[in-house]
Amino acid sequence: DGGITQSPKYLFRKEGQNVTLSCEQNLNHDAMYWYRQDPGQGLRLIYYSQIVNDFQKGDIAEGYSVSREKKESFPLTVTSAQKNPTAFYLCASSAPAGGRSYEQYFGPGTRLTVT
Amino acid sequence: DAKTTQPTSMDCAEGRAANLPCNHSTISGNEYVYWYRQIHSQGPQYIIHGLKNNETNEMASLIITEDRKSSTLILPHATLRDTAVYYCIVRLLGRQGGKLIFGQGTELSVKP
Repeated sequence: DGGITQSPKYLFRKEGQNVTLSCEQNLNHDAMYWYRQDPGQGLRLIYYSQIVNDFQKGDIAEGYSVSREKKESFPLTVTSAQKNPTAFYLCASSAPAGGRSYEQYFGPGTRLTVT
Repeated sequence: DAKTTQPTSMDCAEGRAANLPCNHSTISGNEYVYWYRQIHSQGPQYIIHGLKNNETNEMASLIITEDRKSSTLILPHATLRDTAVYYCIVRLLGRQGGKLIFGQGTELSVKP
């Protein structure tokens, strides 16, 4: 089955540690995205990538880093510089980022808790 | 960037049509209106999108006013499983490659 997988579903870390969230897609999509969601809020864009080896900052990129070495994978690292890392993290992908119209497909999310 | 305004919450009786409004008065001529929904603790799910014509698919219908300043998502026969937060989004074009800006959405509660 085609889709987007994120692992793990729940992640717990101590403050000061970096943590990497996994996102893999087998939809052959060019574009991939990372969003953050806080309780009762909409999604906010962290980073996005339109093509392999290229990515751009979203609205709240500070304290995060990404890489896009393969089309299928777009891991997100939450660094110790992120002030409030506890949140629900969602990965998405879409067909070519340009063009007229397309939809984004979302993974099931990773809930990160930092104490 | 075009922004959207939606009611915070709505109720709907099971089996009845759910009509979810959205205002996007600053939308540009070549920007699309998208609807997604998010069931609690899951990733958002694409529902439908449109430019200026009304659209229908197996999930819902999208009615866009002639001036494109507002739209309505219609779930023709709401079920309990349609209880979710519904997001109306205007897609940005250009260098940002289709970035979606999510507002707070409308929390739809379908009641028996």
